[in-house]
Amino acid sequence: AQKVTQAQTEISVVEKEDVTLDCVYETRDTTYYLFWYKQPPSGELVFLIRRNSFDEQNEISGRYSWNFQKSTSSFNFTITASQVVDSAVYFCALSPRQGGSEKLVFGKGTKLTVNP
Amino acid sequence: NAGVTQTPKFRVLKTGQSMTLLCAQDMNHEYMYWYRQDPGMGLRLIHYSVGEGTTAKGEVPDGYNVSRLKKQNFLLGLESAAPSQTSVYFCASSPVTKPYEQYFGPGTRLTVT
Repeated sequence: AQKVTQAQTEISVVEKEDVTLDCVYETRDTTYYLFWYKQPPSGELVFLIRRNSFDEQNEISGRYSWNFQKSTSSFNFTITASQVVDSAVYFCALSPRQGGSEKLVFGKGTKLTVNP
Repeated sequence: NAGVTQTPKFRVLKTGQSMTLLCAQDMNHEYMYWYRQDPGMGLRLIHYSVGEGTTAKGEVPDGYNVSRLKKQNFLLGLESAAPSQTSVYFCASSPVTKPYEQYFGPGTRLTVT
């Protein structure tokens, strides 16, 4: 069975602080995808990143960076110099790469509040 | 190109009433999905469809039925609504070449009193 754990239910930071959102996953599949989604207060789900289990390189996109460590089954998300607009619920998700890749399993989400 | 749309955006039902949520996509995607989102629970898959005329159960299918009569539409039905079905419902679709690349609709907030 697949499982995604986001142990941080809520995080509150002050603007310009760096913040890391943790994601730990469990899967028996040898190949899989990992995802991060953002859900701002308006409610829609915004895709942020997909990572293939073959690729353990870290990725940076502007103020966002992702650290994938297969050895610890973690896929953590860091926001550098946070801004008020980063306030949202962030979801980590997992799917098998083959045979059922349509079945995304989501974590329970981490609510990030960035205060001015 | 509207992407994934959901109708209605909000709905209030009384216990025992029935209703249908409509999801439509204009991206010619084969796969479509219905999720529910509850506070502290993340998104959970209710039912999904891998093509016109086919449906399958997800993680939490009880109390719901679905139909996929047309490729672009995926209907979610509640025959006898219960307060436990109060939730935000999201529809999504994805192409057959990249099933994991799911595009989400804006959500429907349903309250059952």
